[in-house]
Amino acid sequence: EAQVTQNPRYLITVTGKKLTVTCSQNMNHEYMSWYRQDPGLGLRQIYYSMNVEVTDKGDVPEGYKVSRKEKRNFPLILESPSPNQTSLYFCASSLVGTGFGYTFGSGTRLTVV
Amino acid sequence: GNSVTQMEGPVTLSEEAFLTINCTYTATGYPSLFWYVQYPGEGLQLLLKATKADDKGSNKGFEATYRKETTSFHLEKGSVQVSDSAVYFCALIIQGAQKLVFGQGTRLTINP
Repeated sequence: EAQVTQNPRYLITVTGKKLTVTCSQNMNHEYMSWYRQDPGLGLRQIYYSMNVEVTDKGDVPEGYKVSRKEKRNFPLILESPSPNQTSLYFCASSLVGTGFGYTFGSGTRLTVV
Repeated sequence: GNSVTQMEGPVTLSEEAFLTINCTYTATGYPSLFWYVQYPGEGLQLLLKATKADDKGSNKGFEATYRKETTSFHLEKGSVQVSDSAVYFCALIIQGAQKLVFGQGTRLTINP
């Protein structure tokens, strides 16, 4: 089944403790992206990657890191999480081109206390 | 800049009612347009899309027509069901870019 898999689905952590949210897709998509979803603010792009070893900042990159060492994986790294990073996170992937739309993962609900 | 504006929710309807969720956009280029649906506790799923003017996207009884003259992509369904209760997002991608720009989302609740 074609899908984007995120892990974990739920995570509660403490301020300052490094964490990684994994994202993997099995569709051979070049493009991958991370979004966060917050009430009243909608979906905002954190980082994106057009292909292996090519990453770039989205609208709200502060406090986040990403890497794209393999085509299928695009982990999101929070080096020192803070409570304002409590959010619902989505990974997405697509073929390059404007007509394809994205395939989204099921989401990771992160709480930083 | 590029942006999407959706009608504010929440929207509450009775089963079998007609649904319209308005979506208008502002784009510097020539966008492709999308509707995504988010069911409770799940990720976003592509509902339908249109890539050029006058195209009609359709899926699961939902339809939306790309209207360049009014810069709109309104979502419609003739007879809604309780299972259609979800949050609906209108979105665009500009030609030459890859970023999906979302509207704020419209929460739809269908009562039996």
